[in-house]
Amino acid sequence: RKEVEQDPGPFNVPEGATVAFNCTYSNSASQSFFWYRQDCRKEPKLLMSVYSSGNEDGRFTAQLNRASQYISLLIRDSKLSDSATYLCVVNRGNTPLVFGKGTRLSVIA
Amino acid sequence: DTGVSQNPRHKITKRGQNVTFRCDPISEHNRLYWYRQTLGQGPEFLTYFQNEAQLEKSRLLSDRFSAERPKGSFSTLEIQRTEQGDSAMYLCAGGVVRDSNTGELFFGEGSRLTVL
Repeated sequence: RKEVEQDPGPFNVPEGATVAFNCTYSNSASQSFFWYRQDCRKEPKLLMSVYSSGNEDGRFTAQLNRASQYISLLIRDSKLSDSATYLCVVNRGNTPLVFGKGTRLSVIA
Repeated sequence: DTGVSQNPRHKITKRGQNVTFRCDPISEHNRLYWYRQTLGQGPEFLTYFQNEAQLEKSRLLSDRFSAERPKGSFSTLEIQRTEQGDSAMYLCAGGVVRDSNTGELFFGEGSRLTVL
């Protein structure tokens, strides 16, 4: 079983839609959680960290459920520019980040 | 721009040849990571350095792969006797460890390897 598993995608949504991505992780020792965004043929970039209390950054909301070992990302009012691959990332403290396979989002006009 | 530069950006080679990639992080990055990414997959960890010390190597890193970070600045990743299965994007990332936690990684644009 992969350490980080994500929805397979792709997600094709119209502009203005709300879309949610889910991610599960297998290692209960995981301590830090992130969502990275990767545009086509570009490098991954940090979108946001995920905190136990949940956190919001504009149209983006990230949530963590440690009991279920589950992470989510909600994007409201999708824009064309949100089209990208969203990578769920975890780590066990002072260790290399472990990336999920990514979920591709296409926002359609 | 993350400040992490990689070269060459593209490398096409014949099977059996050796290739070397270079990564130049910014001076603040005490950690330097190498990841590999193939189409439709997330980045897979290969190895990382804290300053000049190589602290961990993935089992993905066969004995044909070697990485160095002399003087804790730039890093090189060499692949000997390349195989077609080595074709991938090789990503370098810099980071700063804070409070015993791996924080944000800053990736370079990657070096794409095609083995014919």
